[in-house]
Amino acid sequence: DAGITQSPRHKVTETGTPVTLRCHQTENHRYMYWYRQDPGHGLRLIHYSYGVKDTDKGEVSDGYSVSRSKTEDFLLTLESATSSQTSVYFCATARREGDQPQHFGDGTRLSIL
Amino acid sequence: SQELEQSPQSLIVQEGKNLTINCTSSKTLYGLYWYKQKYGEGLIFLMMLQKGGEEKSHEKITAKLDEKKQQSSLHITASQPSHAGIYLCGADYNTDKLIFGTGTRLQVFP
Repeated sequence: DAGITQSPRHKVTETGTPVTLRCHQTENHRYMYWYRQDPGHGLRLIHYSYGVKDTDKGEVSDGYSVSRSKTEDFLLTLESATSSQTSVYFCATARREGDQPQHFGDGTRLSIL
Repeated sequence: SQELEQSPQSLIVQEGKNLTINCTSSKTLYGLYWYKQKYGEGLIFLMMLQKGGEEKSHEKITAKLDEKKQQSSLHITASQPSHAGIYLCGADYNTDKLIFGTGTRLQVFP
């Protein structure tokens, strides 16, 4: 939907290693979001972007950073992964200001051992 | 989030039966979004409600927002196996983010 591709789809890594997840969209949507989904917590917003090089923190941003150098790409980086960051990560987009995310990628399942 | 409660947590129904999922907010909603998620996949947007008393339908799924704009229900008529999945509501409080409910897992058996 909305041409959202997340990569990788699955990743297993060790504590302390850096990890970067990529979200690529082909619909030229202005807003992009990163969520994590955990049992009992639903989806929680990590970071979002409202344009190239314009990003802001969500409710669970500690330990994560993001970058958006092009409209179509939104990167999520875990500088030093911890086991508490084991989760399923979803990227989402919204077309314009005032819209909430209506298009989601298929998720990245990240396991940190 | 305690400001948004979704119920029930899970639901098992026989094919052909009707069912209702509820989403209750502790404060007035600016808007309410409903999504469906299949295992291993992302969320699919179903409907968005914004006006008190509003009701929208998509195929056999109907969503309503109460007049006070604090509660929404999702009703499925004559459920089918294709309706199985996790249904999530997302609350818009006119901020830059949605607050999601914890989801309702629906199973439909023949």
